[in-house]
Amino acid sequence: AQSVTQPDIHITVSEGASLELRCNYSYGATPYLFWYVQSPGQGLQLLLKYFSGDTLVQGIKGFEAEFKRSQSSFNLRKPSVHWSDAAEYFCAVGSTGFQKLVFGTGTRLLVSP
Amino acid sequence: GAVVSQHPSRVICKSGTSVKIECRSLDFQATTMFWYRQFPKQSLMLMATSNEGSKATYEQGVEKDKFLINHASLTLSTLTVTSAHPEDSSFYICSARVASGFGDTDTQYFGPGTRLTVL
Repeated sequence: AQSVTQPDIHITVSEGASLELRCNYSYGATPYLFWYVQSPGQGLQLLLKYFSGDTLVQGIKGFEAEFKRSQSSFNLRKPSVHWSDAAEYFCAVGSTGFQKLVFGTGTRLLVSP
Repeated sequence: GAVVSQHPSRVICKSGTSVKIECRSLDFQATTMFWYRQFPKQSLMLMATSNEGSKATYEQGVEKDKFLINHASLTLSTLTVTSAHPEDSSFYICSARVASGFGDTDTQYFGPGTRLTVL
C-alpha cells in the first residue's frame, strides 16, 4: 500500500532564508508525486508534480522538488521564503492508473520576520 | 484553468438534519471526482471516489448510507450528509480529475472546501 511520511510537523524559517520540506514515500512501482499548499480555511493548490523524466521539477511560486528514487524522497525546496509562503504543505503519492491520492500529514510552515 | 468550486463554503445545521454540498468543475469536464474529509490540523482522508453516471466507491470505514454521493454530470458531484450529528462536523473538500481530452488527466484539482458545523 502507498504511504507518505512528512517527518516535520512544524518548521519556522526566517523571511529570505532557504526552505526544504521533507517527504518520503512508500510505493512499489514508479510513483506519481505531488506537493500541494493549503492556506488556512482553504482548499489545496497544486505546487508541482512528478510523473517521470527530469527528477528536478519546477513549480509555481518559485518552488522546486527533487525526486530521489534511491531515498524514496521528494523534498520541496525554495531558495528564498516570503512571508506569504506561510501555510500548510502536503506531499501526496498517486498510483499508476491514478485513481486516488494518499496524503502525508502535512508540514506547517511559519515565516518569521 | 482547472477551477473547482464548492457550495456552500460554510454551513451550520441542527443535529438530525441533512446537508448537501455541491462540487463543480467550472472550466473542464471531470469524469472522476473525489471527496475528502479533513479534521483540524490533520491531513486529508479520502472518503469516496465518484465516477460520472455510476455509483461511488467508498473507502473502508465510510458509511455509504450516511454520506450519499451523486455524480450526475461531468461537472457536478454532490455529497449529502444525512441525519448529521456533531461528530460529522468537519472540513469537506472535493477534487476533480480532468476527463481525457481536456488536459492533464493525472492531476486532481481541489475545491476550496466546505466547513460543516453540526449543533
